[in-house]
Amino acid sequence: EAQVTQNPRYLITVTGKKLTVTCSQNMNHEYMSWYRQDPGLGLRQIYYSMNVEVTDKGDVPEGYKVSRKEKRNFPLILESPSPNQTSLYFCASSYSGGTSTDTQYFGPGTRLTVL
Amino acid sequence: AQSVTQLGSHVSVSEGALVLLRCNYSSSVPPYLFWYVQYPNQGLQLLLKYTSAATLVKGINGFEAEFKKSETSFHLTKPSAHMSDAAEYFCAVRTDTGRRALTFGSGTRLQVQP
Repeated sequence: EAQVTQNPRYLITVTGKKLTVTCSQNMNHEYMSWYRQDPGLGLRQIYYSMNVEVTDKGDVPEGYKVSRKEKRNFPLILESPSPNQTSLYFCASSYSGGTSTDTQYFGPGTRLTVL
Repeated sequence: AQSVTQLGSHVSVSEGALVLLRCNYSSSVPPYLFWYVQYPNQGLQLLLKYTSAATLVKGINGFEAEFKKSETSFHLTKPSAHMSDAAEYFCAVRTDTGRRALTFGSGTRLQVQP
């Protein structure tokens, strides 16, 4: 089954404790992206990757890091989480076949609470 | 830069009634428009997308949307609501082909009354 998976689905942590949220897709997609969802704001892009070893900032990258060492994986790293990073996080992937209309497929989300 | 406005954060309809969820966009270049649905505790699922091939777009679960350039709108409709349609709906626009970032509206929660 084609899918985007995220782990963990739920996480409660404390300020300053480094954490990683994993994202994996099995569709051989080149493009991957991280979004955060906050009430009343919709989803906002954090970082994206056009292919292996190619990453760039989205709209709200502060406080986050990413890496793309393998095509299928795109982990989101919070080096020193703060309470304002409490949010619902989504990973997405799509082909980069040259068309702007490629559908982005979303993972199930990771609900993060930083105390 | 592009933006999306969804009018009405909550919409309530009776089962069997028309569903109309409003979306207006702002874009300096021709946009690509999407509607996504989010069921409770799930990720986002694509309902339909406008790719400039046709202004009336049909999606899954009986939903459709019409692109109206003169009104900069892409409203989502369904002739007859079903209880299973209760969810949150997001309109999104994308014009930055490099970054491929979807700009989302703030969402509309649809409630279906029996």
